[in-house]
Amino acid sequence: AQTVTQSQPEMSVQEAETVTLSCTYDTSESDYYLFWYKQPPSRQMILVIRQEAYKQQNATENRFSVNFQKAAKSFSLKISDSQLGDAAMYFCAPNFGNEKLTFGTGTRLTIIP
Amino acid sequence: DTGVSQNPRHKITKRGQNVTFRCDPISEHNRLYWYRQTLGQGPEFLTYFQNEAQLEKSRLLSDRFSAERPKGSFSTLEIQRTEQGDSAMYLCASSLYGGVTEAFFGQGTRLTVV
Repeated sequence: AQTVTQSQPEMSVQEAETVTLSCTYDTSESDYYLFWYKQPPSRQMILVIRQEAYKQQNATENRFSVNFQKAAKSFSLKISDSQLGDAAMYFCAPNFGNEKLTFGTGTRLTIIP
Repeated sequence: DTGVSQNPRHKITKRGQNVTFRCDPISEHNRLYWYRQTLGQGPEFLTYFQNEAQLEKSRLLSDRFSAERPKGSFSTLEIQRTEQGDSAMYLCASSLYGGVTEAFFGQGTRLTVV
């Protein structure tokens, strides 16, 4: 079975500081894609960052970066210089070589002013 | 067209009634997905379409659930004989090239069965 685990139900960080959200998964596939999505309160889910499993280089998007460890099946998200607008639920959502996303249970991130 | 649109945003229904939700994807996207999200959980896949063809259905999608995408444009999700366990947020998403690319989500339809 393909599973996704987000072991931190809630995290908080001071504004302007750095926070890392963890995600581990299990799959027998070798070629897949990994995504982090953000779901702000009462708003739709939006893509934060995307990583191809065949790429060794970690993806970065402005203040967002990932630490992808394929052998360990780990895909953590680092948010630098946290801003109030980063407050949201964050979901790790791999695509294990098929059409659908498999979501973790999410991490609720609170930004402390 | 600024994104994926879902209607209604909220639906309250009595147990045993039928409900139908609509999703309008981004116009050039040929993939359309339905997910269900219950409180405190991540979304769970229900079904997806490539154009008008329904190519995969989750085991979560019981016989009371049916989805259509006529002409490969908008999609409807119908739940017959609703049960309290159907209460959830129903999310629609669309994408251009399938699972390897970004999925764009709608704001969801929140269903409450009383």
